[in-house]
Amino acid sequence: SQQGEEDPQALSIQEGENATMNCSYKTSINNLQWYRQNSGRGLVHLILIRSNEREKHSGRLRVTLDTSKKSSSLLITASRAADTASYFCATDSGAGKSTFGDGTTLTVKP
Amino acid sequence: ETGVTQSPTHLIKTRGQQVTLRCSSQSGHNTVSWYQQALGQGPQFIFQYYREEENGRGNFPPRFSGLQFPNYSSELNVNALELDDSALYLCASSSLAGGNNEQFFGPGTRLTVL
Repeated sequence: SQQGEEDPQALSIQEGENATMNCSYKTSINNLQWYRQNSGRGLVHLILIRSNEREKHSGRLRVTLDTSKKSSSLLITASRAADTASYFCATDSGAGKSTFGDGTTLTVKP
Repeated sequence: ETGVTQSPTHLIKTRGQQVTLRCSSQSGHNTVSWYQQALGQGPQFIFQYYREEENGRGNFPPRFSGLQFPNYSSELNVNALELDDSALYLCASSSLAGGNNEQFFGPGTRLTVL
């Protein structure tokens, strides 16, 4: 069974809008990572947030982590058509073995 | 570009055959993990190799096996292929000594079993 579950499954927005994706997980984690995947290609690492961190920023990306609720969110601000992709959260409970959810498919319309 | 390479890019096999997929790690990384990603789903952890030894395994049968070589490159072998083995196979390299366990993924091998 999957550890992480993303919500929503699909999201469609206009260019310039913000996109928010959520991830919930079930067990304790060392860190949580967000990845991006274009059209069934390899995964691109976006950001890693450790269990003792609450918020992290990278460019237009903002990730929050609430370990009490076992949830994380990824915010992409000022979205662009090139942000169209699938986004996955992955939890690491130890030794670098990541457990992925089924992802959120984001479509940004120009 | 992560520096992780995989070969081949695409592969077509028939049921019952055997397949070997290859992965070259990013320089300086001593750990390789393999994942299976079925269409429309997230990657599922198959197993991980650290310093040439298996270091954890997901819920996959023994016909999925692997190797890691002294240069930290790796192979995934699948015997007695089944239709459900059709998927994108991803390898990821990392350095357990690094502390943050950030994984760098290769572009994947698309396996189709007919």
